[in-house]
Amino acid sequence: QVTLKESGPVLVKPTETLTLTCTVSGFSLSNARMGVSWIRQPPGKALEWLAHIFSNDEKSYSTSLKSRLTISKDTSKSQVVLTMTNMDPVDTATYYCARMGWGYSYGSWGQGTLVTVSS
Amino acid sequence: QSALTQPASVSGSPGQSITISCTGTSSDVGGYNYVSWYQQHPGKAPKLMIYEVSNRPSGVPDRFSGSKSGNTASLTISGLQAEDEADYYCSSYTSSSTLVVFGGGTKLTVL
Repeated sequence: QVTLKESGPVLVKPTETLTLTCTVSGFSLSNARMGVSWIRQPPGKALEWLAHIFSNDEKSYSTSLKSRLTISKDTSKSQVVLTMTNMDPVDTATYYCARMGWGYSYGSWGQGTLVTVSS
Repeated sequence: QSALTQPASVSGSPGQSITISCTGTSSDVGGYNYVSWYQQHPGKAPKLMIYEVSNRPSGVPDRFSGSKSGNTASLTISGLQAEDEADYYCSSYTSSSTLVVFGGGTKLTVL
């Protein structure tokens, strides 16, 4: 059974750096066919794709957020980590990690973690 | 502003059929058969309903179907049921440096 679970701070202050961890089970990050992505959703708004890491460690980032994002993985811990610098209140959102499968689709999602940016 | 354009809302009565459109460009929807559709109920994570334009994952009812013409993909739900009321999002692979783009979402109301 494939599962993903996000963890990280519930509240961050403006200008701080956010670090989120996605812990996966039921598959290996070293041979996952397509890898793991981070996707966020501000309250009441649409999904926004953020970043992806492939099993071969190749990475892709949202063009608009690329300068603020870093994605990495620790295969031994079955974890994918996303850091986002210079947080702003507009970054308040539920952050999801998801496993990419056939045709760049996401068949498995974490439950999401709500991150609020406020002083 | 989302990369893919969806209608903000659609509605239908139980038993009817509805179609949700998803319009992109030749760099995403029109250029590849990598369109996916997701259903999201309030407070829940999205659920994959369609991948690669028209394929249904195991367990998704055949009332849900997908298609594509040019730069526009469509999700059709036939025999609407009350539990289909949710937000629906499309996504596509994109040849830009961003790997995947999502639509703005469509709220489906079952009257």
